[in-house]
Amino acid sequence: GNSVTQMEGPVTLSEEAFLTINCTYTATGYPSLFWYVQYPGEGLQLLLKATKADDKGSNKGFEATYRKETTSFHLEKGSVQVSDSAVYFCALSDPYNQGGKLIFGQGTELSVKP
Amino acid sequence: KAGVTQTPRYLIKTRGQQVTLSCSPISGHRSVSWYQQTPGQGLQFLFEYFSETQRNKGNFPGRFSGRQFSNSRSEMNVSTLELGDSALYLCASSWGSDRSYEQYFGPGTRLTVT
Repeated sequence: GNSVTQMEGPVTLSEEAFLTINCTYTATGYPSLFWYVQYPGEGLQLLLKATKADDKGSNKGFEATYRKETTSFHLEKGSVQVSDSAVYFCALSDPYNQGGKLIFGQGTELSVKP
Repeated sequence: KAGVTQTPRYLIKTRGQQVTLSCSPISGHRSVSWYQQTPGQGLQFLFEYFSETQRNKGNFPGRFSGRQFSNSRSEMNVSTLELGDSALYLCASSWGSDRSYEQYFGPGTRLTVT
């Protein structure tokens, strides 16, 4: 079945450091890929998405490229801020086969120190 | 535009009781999905409703059920509560069609079973 694997956390960085959170997936069909962010005590916020191979999603300085050849969707940011501290989830959906079902990775906690 | 709302935000129940959680989607959205989030199992899909019909279902026991009303609002019911049902329950709404399958999450209901 479909699955998502993320790098384990927690990840601790200094402010202005470069961020990469790895995400790989296994899927049949043509999935869409997402990154969600969860701040303490809150629900999930959609950070960015990509719906087909080679698409690049971007938002708030974060980027991720849908790589079909490596089945990856790594999240990157050039310069992190303390306010980026949160848990990040990679997710996939296969809407034409599984409707609104999202499959999530285990989440990666990011802590940014000033 | 108002976001996804969930009520109540916090619940404490006793083992063996039942509970009903409510979710109001973004105006115009016809799909509502429910997820359970726990530290051990992460984010797991419960079920999805689209136009008052269950369209997709995860691997949860029959004690977990849901429904959707004609205004797209959804309820989730858990009967005969167990200690392991303690979790954050998140609902998400989307157009649920070719228009867009992006899901937007509510803040969640924190259920504690004692």
